[in-house]
Amino acid sequence: AQKVTQAQTEISVVEKEDVTLDCVYETRDTTYYLFWYKQPPSGELVFLIRRNSFDEQNEISGRYSWNFQKSTSSFNFTITASQVVDSAVYFCALSEPGGKLIFGQGTELSVKP
Amino acid sequence: DTGVSQDPRHKITKRGQNVTFRCDPISEHNRLYWYRQTLGQGPEFLTYFQNEAQLEKSRLLSDRFSAERPKGSFSTLEIQRTEQGDSAMYLCASSSLSTGGNEQFFGPGTRLTVL
Repeated sequence: AQKVTQAQTEISVVEKEDVTLDCVYETRDTTYYLFWYKQPPSGELVFLIRRNSFDEQNEISGRYSWNFQKSTSSFNFTITASQVVDSAVYFCALSEPGGKLIFGQGTELSVKP
Repeated sequence: DTGVSQDPRHKITKRGQNVTFRCDPISEHNRLYWYRQTLGQGPEFLTYFQNEAQLEKSRLLSDRFSAERPKGSFSTLEIQRTEQGDSAMYLCASSSLSTGGNEQFFGPGTRLTVL
């Protein structure tokens, strides 16, 4: 069965600190996708990134970076120089191609000024 | 192009009543998904459509739940004889097979409170 585990329930940092959100997944599929979504207090899920199982290159987008390691079934998300606006719940998710998303329980990030 | 829209945004109902939610996906997105999210949890899959065909239903979707997408555009989710345990945020998402990317774009959700 597919499963996503986000062991960190809550993280609190001070503005400008770097923070890493952990995600570990389980799947028997050889082809799959991994995602990160952000859910700010307004409630709407915002798509951040998608990786497929054949692409282990790390990716950087501004202050965001993602580290995908198949050997440890992990897809971690780092925010560099965090800002108050980064405060939200972040979800890691897994899917088979074209299929439903399996979400982790989320990590609530609080960035204090 | 507008994003995914859902109506209503909030619904308060009494136990035993029927409720219906609507989702309008991004135009030309052929896949439409329904999820449910309770407080402190990640969204859980309920069902999804490819065009008008309902391709998969979760075991979470009891007989009191029914979803339709009659013309392959908007979708409705109906809950009959609501129970307090149905209180949750109901999220709709859409994606396009043509992009091959499987990115699902979510609407703002409908928050249901069953009294």
